[in-house]
Amino acid sequence: GDSVTQTEGPVTVSESESLIINCTYSATSIAYPNLFWYVRYPGEGLQLLLKVITAGQKGSSRGFEATYNKETTSFHLQKASVQESDSAVYYCALGDGNTGNYKYVFGAGTRLKVIA
Amino acid sequence: GPKVLQIPSHQIIDMGQMVTLNCDPVSNHLYFYWYKQILGQQMEFLVNFYNGKVMEKSKLFKDQFSVERPDGSYFTLKIQPTALEDSAVYFCASSFGQGYAEQFFGPGTRLTVL
Repeated sequence: GDSVTQTEGPVTVSESESLIINCTYSATSIAYPNLFWYVRYPGEGLQLLLKVITAGQKGSSRGFEATYNKETTSFHLQKASVQESDSAVYYCALGDGNTGNYKYVFGAGTRLKVIA
Repeated sequence: GPKVLQIPSHQIIDMGQMVTLNCDPVSNHLYFYWYKQILGQQMEFLVNFYNGKVMEKSKLFKDQFSVERPDGSYFTLKIQPTALEDSAVYFCASSFGQGYAEQFFGPGTRLTVL
């Protein structure tokens, strides 16, 4: 079936260091997967961080970036220099538009803690 | 930015009782969703809803589940009767369009069935 696997957390990174959260997907029933990163800050709902609809493209937002790699079925999230305010839970998601009624397949989430 | 609200944030209920989870979506959104996350597991799609109708539901959306949006205001998930395995966090989301339109999520309602 369709699934998303991401780096198991928690991940602890020192401020100003680089970050990579791995995400790989399996889209056996989806002809044209769309890929997303969502973030949840404490006490809030999920927020869209970035999305990429087309394979080979890169998305970026707030210093984060991710490239949709169809060959390796990956969509890793990277940031060159993290800040304490980046502490949150990050979710990789696969868009399933097969039926025209859109729904996401989520990864388990990766909790990131940035320390000063 | 636009916010989705969920009421209550935590609900404790005895097995067999009915529960209604309320979602206040973004005001001009047309598509509505519920997701379920059991502790330690992935968030999973339950159902989506548009124009007064369920458009698609997953196998997690049991016969005891129902959704509606009376008066065009709150989007509700009702479980009747509840079972122990319904204990989870339920997330509501809404979007203006479908396809890859951004979904806006609420903070979740934690349901505990005793």
